[in-house]
Amino acid sequence: DQQVKQNSPSLSVQEGRISILNCDYTNSMFDYFLWYKKYPAEGPTFLISISSIKDKNEDGRFTVFLNKSAKHLSLHIVPSQPGDSAVYFCAARGVTSGNQFYFGTGTSLTVIP
Amino acid sequence: KAGVTQTPRYLIKTRGQQVTLSCSPISGHRSVSWYQQTPGQGLQFLFEYFSETQRNKGNFPGRFSGRQFSNSRSEMNVSTLELGDSALYLCASSLTTNEKLFFGSGTQLSVL
Repeated sequence: DQQVKQNSPSLSVQEGRISILNCDYTNSMFDYFLWYKKYPAEGPTFLISISSIKDKNEDGRFTVFLNKSAKHLSLHIVPSQPGDSAVYFCAARGVTSGNQFYFGTGTSLTVIP
Repeated sequence: KAGVTQTPRYLIKTRGQQVTLSCSPISGHRSVSWYQQTPGQGLQFLFEYFSETQRNKGNFPGRFSGRQFSNSRSEMNVSTLELGDSALYLCASSLTTNEKLFFGSGTQLSVL
């Protein structure tokens, strides 16, 4: 049962444009959401997070939006750079799940120079 | 500060064998979690240890086990390997439970 879903396996964007990566979840008890970035042969690296008491969090070029009613979050990267090309995973955790994070299947982003 | 260290980076085993993977967390981190990554499946939670106690376990068969030592280092063991166990095994540490995870580079296990 996939509680966190990333329905787009891949995304291609021109350098300088906006990249929007989407994530949906099913468990309304999730209260903490994160985005990770993964390069080949490396472990995922934390990018940005948001708690359920907020609907937006910004960190430089990266912004995460949370829509609790739709159980949807998105990651915006502006402007996109070739070095952003990687696989992006969203993850969620609930108050009752301890440190068990539920991850999506990932979206492979390619930024075209 | 050194990151999460996993050894070995690569392993090739045959069906029926067993394997032990090792993870050294970031210094001061007391929580260690293990995840399995396979193509198209994302990261699947295996288990979490905190202060040598298993706090949480994912939906994996009993062939998958782990432990944590007093210095917070952790090992994961898979017995009676099956072809489907071929995956990237990722270890992650956090300061305490309920904190964001810091991942190691993983151990790529191939079962032939």
